[in-house]
Amino acid sequence: DAGVIQSPRHEVTEMGQEVTLRCKPISGHNSLFWYRQTMMRGLELLIYFNNNVPIDDSGMPEDRFSAKMPNASFSTLKIQPSEPRDSAVYFCASSRVMAGGGQDTQYFGPGTRLTVL
Amino acid sequence: GQQVMQIPQYQHVQEGEDFTTYCNSSTTLSNIQWYKQRPGGHPVFLIQLVKSGEVKKQKRLTFQFGEAKKNSSLHITATQTTDVGTYFCAGLRTTDSWGKLQFGAGTQVVVTP
Repeated sequence: DAGVIQSPRHEVTEMGQEVTLRCKPISGHNSLFWYRQTMMRGLELLIYFNNNVPIDDSGMPEDRFSAKMPNASFSTLKIQPSEPRDSAVYFCASSRVMAGGGQDTQYFGPGTRLTVL
Repeated sequence: GQQVMQIPQYQHVQEGEDFTTYCNSSTTLSNIQWYKQRPGGHPVFLIQLVKSGEVKKQKRLTFQFGEAKKNSSLHITATQTTDVGTYFCAGLRTTDSWGKLQFGAGTQVVVTP
């Protein structure tokens, strides 16, 4: 069974350009998470969805960031306009909410390494 | 700032030695998870602890959840070169919604043969 799929794996862009990161969660998982990892700030939760609905986006840095989940098998994280300080590795993770509300393991994708020049 | 503190930040270990990494939260946690990230890789789930005082073992790895559910530890015995990587704890605070794991900064482990 395929794990979490992310694309692209690497993205180099210039400041001011729009960047779109994509994620396909594991089939059957009903929760999806977007994280950002940098040396300075570590692993930060940006936003997460349950059954395609955004539950908590308090980690989204600012209005330049937006995320969507139009269906259970696809999500995007968009940065517009991008800035050099957005350079990081962006991970998507998926999991299942168990009966009773508990959360199962989070499975991380390989990440997208974003460099904004 | 970091809600879940992890120490040490770096750990240099001689192959065959033991070491422990610690995770502390200022607030009570519903559960705590541990992940391992190899250099250039992505975090991979190791284990979840839920009960107060819980201890779980995976071969040479021993995980413990504190009685007050505010701290946790990971102890590795007889370290091997395959143990290289960064170990993260991630806690779910009782005041947060179920999905909002707070990741520690990680302990980066380097093993000298």
